[in-house]
Amino acid sequence: AQSVTQLGSHVSVSEGALVLLRCNYSSSVPPYLFWYVQYPNQGLQLLLKYTTGATLVKGINGFEAEFKKSETSFHLTKPSAHMSDAAEYFCAVSLYGGSQGNLIFGKGTKLSVKP
Amino acid sequence: NAGVTQTPKFRILKIGQSMTLQCTQDMNHNYMYWYRQDPGMGLKLIYYSVGAGITDKGEVPNGYNVSRSTTEDFPLRLELAAPSQTSVYFCASRPETITQYFGPGTRLTVL
Repeated sequence: AQSVTQLGSHVSVSEGALVLLRCNYSSSVPPYLFWYVQYPNQGLQLLLKYTTGATLVKGINGFEAEFKKSETSFHLTKPSAHMSDAAEYFCAVSLYGGSQGNLIFGKGTKLSVKP
Repeated sequence: NAGVTQTPKFRILKIGQSMTLQCTQDMNHNYMYWYRQDPGMGLKLIYYSVGAGITDKGEVPNGYNVSRSTTEDFPLRLELAAPSQTSVYFCASRPETITQYFGPGTRLTVL
């Protein structure tokens, strides 16, 4: 069975500092991997995704993530945090073609950005 | 192109009442999903549909029902509301590719 683990339910960084949000998954086959962002009282917005090909994926708002199969990880990074990055971030996996492409979500990491 | 829309945005129900959460998408997507989000728990799949007339249970279907009579609409029905159904409900849809698009959510409180 697939599962997603996000290390740290809360992460706090200073404005301008590196953002690193961790995501590890378990899957018997190579999955499709996603990061979604949720701003307060809003729905989920896709930040980036990995399906096949290049393992370093660039997304919106300066975020990127690297798929590391050997470590079963898909950590999200941004070189320099901005106040507007404060939100909750969800990592998700899917076995496309199995279970009708359903997403399995991690529990989320709330990012705070200090001025 | 409005994407995925959900109504209502907020609702308070009394225990035992029923209601329908509406979800509509205008992107002609075959796949649609209902999730619930509880604090600190991420999103859990309630039901999904792969096309009009076809639905199936997800991880947490108890207490809910769905129907899919058209491609656009995927309503979620709560019968006999219970406090455990207090949550934020998200509807999502996707085309044949993998990315799901989410609606803004419905915040439901059962008292």
